Amino acid sequence: EIALTQSPGTLSLSPGDRATLSCRASQSVPSNSLAWYQQIPGQAPRLLIYGASTRATGIPDRFSGSGSGTDFTLTISRLEPEDFAVYYCQHYSSPFGQGTRLEIK
Amino acid sequence: QVQLVQSGAEVKKPGASVRVSCKASGYTFTTYGLSWVRQAPGQGLEWMGWISAYYGDTKYAQKFQDRVTMTRDTSTSTLYMELRSLRSDDTAVYYCARGAGSAGVYYEAYWGQGTLVTVSS
Repeated sequence: EIALTQSPGTLSLSPGDRATLSCRASQSVPSNSLAWYQQIPGQAPRLLIYGASTRATGIPDRFSGSGSGTDFTLTISRLEPEDFAVYYCQHYSSPFGQGTRLEIK
Repeated sequence: QVQLVQSGAEVKKPGASVRVSCKASGYTFTTYGLSWVRQAPGQGLEWMGWISAYYGDTKYAQKFQDRVTMTRDTSTSTLYMELRSLRSDDTAVYYCARGAGSAGVYYEAYWGQGTLVTVSS
């Protein structure tokens, strides 16, 4: 079972800033099958990125994913107010990372 | 469009069991695997397990191996999750999610609305 560690736990930034979130796996992720999800409090998670770098349908291009093997990154190029949320990474049918909370500075 | 509609909130006493359902529509039910994920108040997402909608085989997180059973009814396109021997720390919102993908790249593409299960004496 692949364990995922996300960092930082909390990221404090301002609208317009660039956000960089990290997800590190305990072993190489097969087929780079790593997904990122966004969760706004009170809502179900929403798929952002799959296959490490492919944006899901309807996701703005300010969201991008990169990485391979054991190290993956989610980048939000210019933060919009609606982007302040919690972000999780996951390898399918395995535990999620513990999440990164993106908060307004 | 794909929809996953879950059953309503439940209140259970410690030691009891709960069964949560998730009715799927908008696609061929047996095509994709389905997962259960829970979230305790103020906590992160916790993956509980996965079931093949076609074959019915399952994969459970080790933490829940002895207490959870996931099943599906292909005639009604409904997924079920039963959790036994409930404790107060099982209080959480439980989500079903439908997978998608191919060629080794898979992900949870659709989510149910969540079902709050409260365990309290």
